[in-house]
This record gives sequence, structure tokens and C-alpha cells, in this order.
Amino acid sequence: EVQLLESGGGLVQPGGSLRLSCAASGFTFSNYAMSWVRQAPGKGLEWLSIISGSGGSTNSADSVKGRFTISRDNSKNTLYLQMNSLGAEDTAVYYCAKGGWSSVFDIWGQGTMVTVSS
Amino acid sequence: EIVLTQSPATLSLSPGERATLSCRASRSVSSYLAWYQQKPGQAPRLLIYDASNRATGIPARFSGSGSGTDFTLTISSLEPEDFAVYYCQQRSDWPRTFGQGTKLQIK
Repeated sequence: EVQLLESGGGLVQPGGSLRLSCAASGFTFSNYAMSWVRQAPGKGLEWLSIISGSGGSTNSADSVKGRFTISRDNSKNTLYLQMNSLGAEDTAVYYCAKGGWSSVFDIWGQGTMVTVSS
Repeated sequence: EIVLTQSPATLSLSPGERATLSCRASRSVSSYLAWYQQKPGQAPRLLIYDASNRATGIPARFSGSGSGTDFTLTISSLEPEDFAVYYCQQRSDWPRTFGQGTKLQIK
């Protein structure tokens, strides 16, 4: 079964950092681009960042460029999102999703909640 | 960036009725448009990709049409489990963008 499982969310103070992980199973992880998408409480979906299957290419939304870094470890079938300089506007459920480069987001994880608050 | 505008914001219908949801792009996205369904507390689920192709396991009552800037998601006969929020998304350009969503609620 194809599955994505996020972890690493929680409560963080403004200006703080957090690293999210997304463990993949059921498919050849290194063959696929992977993305992060977030959803603020009661709001819509916002694409954040994408990384190619090899990890050699990335792209990010302007809202997180310079603050968030996407990476992957294909030996561990795991995707990461390093988030720095967090603000209240970053409070959201963070989803990892398979695809997004030349394809759609066909598989989604269950999401992990990040709350930025003092 | 390409802005996707969905209408209506909320659609109230009864089971068995036909639902028509619209997504309009600020510039052409060719056929690179997808539709997702999201239920409360759940992750989005892919329904339609490249404007008119149903994803694996999606019932035939869901269909998509359109190209360029105007797209439609049609649910031919609503089932109780279809009441949810629906998002369109384009993969024609960066950044990838989503519409603001249409909430399909029971009348």
C-alpha cells in the first residue's frame, strides 16, 4: 500500500525552527518528486516546496523562500522540511504529497499540525 | 502567479442531484488542471487530473471538462459521501496554485 506518514509537528515559539519528516512506503521513492503543501486553520491549500526524485532540483513558493528548505534521503525513503524563522502565519497542517513536478499530487499524507505561538 | 477562482463558494444540493463546480484560471493552464476532494479532518484526495482523467478508484459519477482558462467538475448524481470541499489546482506554471475551494453541502 502506498503511504506517506508525516511527523515532527508541534508547538514552536515565534522565530523558532522545526523540522518535519515524511516517511514513504509502497512505491519506489527515488523515482518521484515530492512536495509539501500546507493548510492554515479553516483556509485553503497552499503549495510550499518541491524536490525532484534525485534531490538535485528544488522549487519553492515565495512565501517560504529563504526560510524553509526541502530535502530528501532516498536511502531512508524520507522527505524533510526544515522550517526556520517561524511566524504566526506559518500555523497550519503540513502535508507531504507525492508528485507535483510534471504530475499532480496523487498521494497525500495525513498531515502534521504546526502551531507557532508564544 | 496563476490565480484560480472557484465558483460558487458554497453549493447546497440534495443527494441524487447533479453538481456543477467551476474553476477559472487567470491565464491559460492548457489541460494541466486537477481536482481534489477534502473531507473534514482528512487529507485531500485526487479526483481528476489533466482536466478530464479520473484518478484510480474514483467513481464514474465524477467527471471533469475544460481547457485553457475554464474548467468544470461535474458530479452526476450526488451520494451522501460526496459532500465535502473541492479544490482545483494547476500544474502549468510555478508556483503551483490551488483555488480557494467550493464547499458542497447538503440542502
